Amino acid sequence: AQSVTQPDIHITVSEGASLELRCNYSYGATPYLFWYVQSPGQGLQLLLKYFSGDTLVQGIKGFEAEFKRSQSSFNLRKPSVHWSDAAEYFCAVGRSGNTGKLIFGQGTTLQVKP
Amino acid sequence: DTGVSQNPRHKITKRGQNVTFRCDPISEHNRLYWYRQTLGQGPEFLTYFQNEAQLEKSRLLSDRFSAERPKGSFSTLEIQRTEQGDSAMYLCASSLPDRANYEQYFGPGTRLTVT
Repeated sequence: AQSVTQPDIHITVSEGASLELRCNYSYGATPYLFWYVQSPGQGLQLLLKYFSGDTLVQGIKGFEAEFKRSQSSFNLRKPSVHWSDAAEYFCAVGRSGNTGKLIFGQGTTLQVKP
Repeated sequence: DTGVSQNPRHKITKRGQNVTFRCDPISEHNRLYWYRQTLGQGPEFLTYFQNEAQLEKSRLLSDRFSAERPKGSFSTLEIQRTEQGDSAMYLCASSLPDRANYEQYFGPGTRLTVT
């Protein structure tokens, strides 16, 4: 069965520091991979996606993620975190085929220290 | 493009009552999804429509839950005889149907509290 694991439930970084959020997936074929961000009281906003091709994908707000098939990982990175990045981040895997439904990880809450 | 909208944003109901939520997708999106998110968890898939056809339902969707999308535009999710375990955020998302555009756009959600 497909699954997504985000090993870090809560991460705290200082403003200006670099960030890496981990995501591991279990999927039998090449997955479609996504990172979403959710701020309090807001819906989920898509940060970036990977379908195929270049394994390093760029997203909005200065985020990037790298797909590593050998490690079944899709980690999210940002070189310099801003206080406004504090939010909950979700990694998700999509099923190829007709459904397109997403399987989400548990989420990682990012706190940014001034 | 006004985004995905959901109404109401908050609903408080007593156990045993019925509730109905509405989702209006982005106008050109013919796929519509419902997810449920409980505190501290990621969203869990409930069901999905392509146009007016409901093509998949999760085992999470018990007999008390029903979803419709009568004209392939807006969708409703009804929960009958609510239970405290139904308290959650109910999220709606929409997308285009082709593989190149699988990204789903989410609404703000409806937060249900069952007392």
